[in-house]
Amino acid sequence: EDQVTQSPEALRLQEGESSSLNCSYTVSGLRGLFWYRQDPGKGPEFLFTLYSAGEEKEKERLKATLTKKESFLHITAPKPEDSATYLCAVQAATSYDKVIFGPGTSLSVIP
Amino acid sequence: EAGVTQFPSHSVIEKGQTVTLRCDPISGHDNLYWYRRVMGKEIKFLLHFVKESKQDESGMPNNRFLAERTGGTYSTLKVQPAELEDSGVYFCASSPVGANTEAFFGQGTRLTVV
Repeated sequence: EDQVTQSPEALRLQEGESSSLNCSYTVSGLRGLFWYRQDPGKGPEFLFTLYSAGEEKEKERLKATLTKKESFLHITAPKPEDSATYLCAVQAATSYDKVIFGPGTSLSVIP
Repeated sequence: EAGVTQFPSHSVIEKGQTVTLRCDPISGHDNLYWYRRVMGKEIKFLLHFVKESKQDESGMPNNRFLAERTGGTYSTLKVQPAELEDSGVYFCASSPVGANTEAFFGQGTRLTVV
């Protein structure tokens, strides 16, 4: 069965303290892996799509990487405005439609 | 350009009543998806429209849920009759034609069935 897990469930960082969020997945052929950011009361906001192992993408203080079994979202020198829930999701090669979401990591960046 | 719009933003109804949620996708987006997040659980796929056709509705919980997308524009998701376990946040997302295109999400409708 296709599934996505994320760790840690919650992460509290001091401003400027870099860290990584993990997304582990089991899927019958990966079509794409997505990272979203979700703020309270809002819908998920797209960050990155990764397609193949070894691929990396960056946006401001965020960098996403992908291996055959997991993806990491690296946050460099985070700021309080980076506080949010970060969601990982995968799309299987066998499914054009479904995106399977992980439970998310709740990130708090303390000034 | 307007994003994906959902309304109402909140709805509180009694068990047994009917509720209709609406989603207006980004103009020109043929793909429209409905998702649901039940308290404490991850976001789960409900169904996918391509224009006005249902491409995949395998995530729909049961036949109390009916989704439509007349004319390939906005979509509605009706729950009739609502049960307590239907409470959660219902998200709509849209994307343009083509595989591997990222989906843009609405802010969600928080449904509470009491």
